[in-house]
Amino acid sequence: GIQVEQSPPDLILQEGANSTLRCNFSDSVNNLQWFHQNPWGQLINLFYIPSGTKQNGRLSATTVATERYSLLYISSSQTTDSGVYFCAVVDYGGSQGNLIFGKGTKLSVKP
Amino acid sequence: DSGVTQTPKHLITATGQRVTLRCSPRSEDLSVYWYQQSLDQGLQFLIHYYNGEERAKGNILERFSAQQFPDLHSELNLSSLELGDSALYFCASSSRTSGVRNEQFFGPGTRLTVL
Repeated sequence: GIQVEQSPPDLILQEGANSTLRCNFSDSVNNLQWFHQNPWGQLINLFYIPSGTKQNGRLSATTVATERYSLLYISSSQTTDSGVYFCAVVDYGGSQGNLIFGKGTKLSVKP
Repeated sequence: DSGVTQTPKHLITATGQRVTLRCSPRSEDLSVYWYQQSLDQGLQFLIHYYNGEERAKGNILERFSAQQFPDLHSELNLSSLELGDSALYFCASSSRTSGVRNEQFFGPGTRLTVL
């Protein structure tokens, strides 16, 4: 099955810094989503981005489907950005659209 | 707020017991997916229902079962619980159309602790 790899696994930033999180996937995908899991465990949708570029405030994402990767950019990070960021895909040959998750990037933003 | 609700938020029970987790999808979403998040296995797909019918199974144990009712809410039943079943259980819903190109929205999860 499709493999989803996220890097880096851990990231520590000072408040105000910028960061780039990467998601590589091993096969063609129908769907790609980025999530933020906050310290309370909630999974919050950030982007639905099977291809192209999207921006939402301080966050933006780019997926280059032909090269099988996606990037999540966080600018001017805040302490509330702390948590785990997951990339999840639906593989092109997938049966009914279930998401396959990477292991996540744990982000800690220090004040 | 994603619009997906799950109850209960927390559940503490003993080994060998049976529990039921409940999920209400977003209004008019026909698909419900169940996922399990454990420390050692990460986030894994369990099962998918579309408009009352089972559509796909993932890494779901035989001790676990699910159903989706006519009002589209879904229940995940976990029986003969073991310590290793302790995890965060999420449901997610997606839009009216069946298929793979639909954004999924997650509920807040049910944290199950088996003692």
